[in-house]
Amino acid sequence: RKEVEQDPGPFNVPEGATVAFNCTYSNSASQSFFWYRQDCRKEPKLLMSVYSSGNEDGRFTAQLNRASQYISLLIRDSKLSDSATYLCVVAHTGNQFYFGTGTSLTVIP
Amino acid sequence: NAGVTQTPKFRILKIGQSMTLQCTQDMNHNYMYWYRQDPGMGLKLIYYSVGAGITDKGEVPNGYNVSRSTTEDFPLRLELAAPSQTSVYFCASSPPRGRTYEQYFGPGTRLTVT
Repeated sequence: RKEVEQDPGPFNVPEGATVAFNCTYSNSASQSFFWYRQDCRKEPKLLMSVYSSGNEDGRFTAQLNRASQYISLLIRDSKLSDSATYLCVVAHTGNQFYFGTGTSLTVIP
Repeated sequence: NAGVTQTPKFRILKIGQSMTLQCTQDMNHNYMYWYRQDPGMGLKLIYYSVGAGITDKGEVPNGYNVSRSTTEDFPLRLELAAPSQTSVYFCASSPPRGRTYEQYFGPGTRLTVT
């Protein structure tokens, strides 16, 4: 079973739409959770960490459900510049990070 | 700060050749990582290091070697290159764990083995 699973998409949404991505993880001992953004042929960059209480950064909201072992990312009022691949990342107690395969988002004018 | 730098940006190798991918960070981070990313796939950890002189295997270490003689540098060595090693290689670093410990990535090295 994969450590981290994501729906690869693609998600094609109009500007201004709200879109949500989910991600599941297999190891209940996982301790840290992140969403990274990766533009085409570029390196991943941290979008936001995900905390148990949930957290929000502008138009982006991340939630963690430990009981069901899933993480979500909600993007409100989508912009053209949000088009990218969104990577769900999980870390255990050690120093290894596990990446999902990513969910592709295209925001259409 | 330059952050994490990687060289070369692109490389074509013949089967059986060897090469070293260079990675340097100037943020005084303890932790450094090497990943590979195949098309349409997530990043897979090859090796990581928690400090100078300490390295450990990740998910896919076969065919690779690393060393960490300084805090700044973490080179990845490919011996006897094979077509299966065609990939994009990313180096990353992170500070010691706290409430959040972001990984900072280099721009990647695109390697083709033919």
